[in-house]
Amino acid sequence: EAGVVQSPRYKIIEKKQPVAFWCNPISGHNTLYWYRQNLGQGPELLIRYENEEAVDDSQLPKDRFSAERLKGVDSTLKIQPAELGDSAVYLCASSYDSLGTGELFFGEGSRLTVL
Amino acid sequence: AQKVTQAQTEISVVEKEDVTLDCVYETRDTTYYLFWYKQPPSGELVFLIRRNSFDEQNEISGRYSWNFQKSTSSFNFTITASQVVDSAVYFCALSEPEKAAGNKLTFGGGTRVLVKP
Repeated sequence: EAGVVQSPRYKIIEKKQPVAFWCNPISGHNTLYWYRQNLGQGPELLIRYENEEAVDDSQLPKDRFSAERLKGVDSTLKIQPAELGDSAVYLCASSYDSLGTGELFFGEGSRLTVL
Repeated sequence: AQKVTQAQTEISVVEKEDVTLDCVYETRDTTYYLFWYKQPPSGELVFLIRRNSFDEQNEISGRYSWNFQKSTSSFNFTITASQVVDSAVYFCALSEPEKAAGNKLTFGGGTRVLVKP
């Protein structure tokens, strides 16, 4: 069974440029998450989807971040314009359990460097 | 207030030694779940174990064991007879389904484990 797939693995951009990350969750997993992990810290939730609906986006900086999950499968996270502080690893995860009892399956992440 | 605290930032051991990772959590919910995840250098977080708040029985799974104590809000994790491949960052995480109305993991800051040959 294929795991969570993310691309690109690495991205280097200059500040004020846009960037987008893509995630393909495990087949059959209705719940999808985007986490941000700063260097030396634990992941922090940005947004959680149940199928196509964003059910928790309270931590998403909506002035510059946007996300979508069309057709309830793949998802895209966009930053426009990027700032220096956005340098981090962006992790996508999926789960079959939306009740909070199950494990999350993570991708390898997209490492963003903003110069 | 930080909900999940991992006081140890880095632990270094020699192969075959045991290593115990500390985790202290904070929640007011009666139903919650605790997890340990491993993050190797490749970056992908890998699920290791899960415990719910109603089950304080401690268990052993292979070289992994855990000690869950509600009285002290601790969920410690032990790797027995460590191996070089155990070198990674380990995260403790908390899920509070009642509060978050769903699956939302709150992670601690992580503990880097370095196992030397």
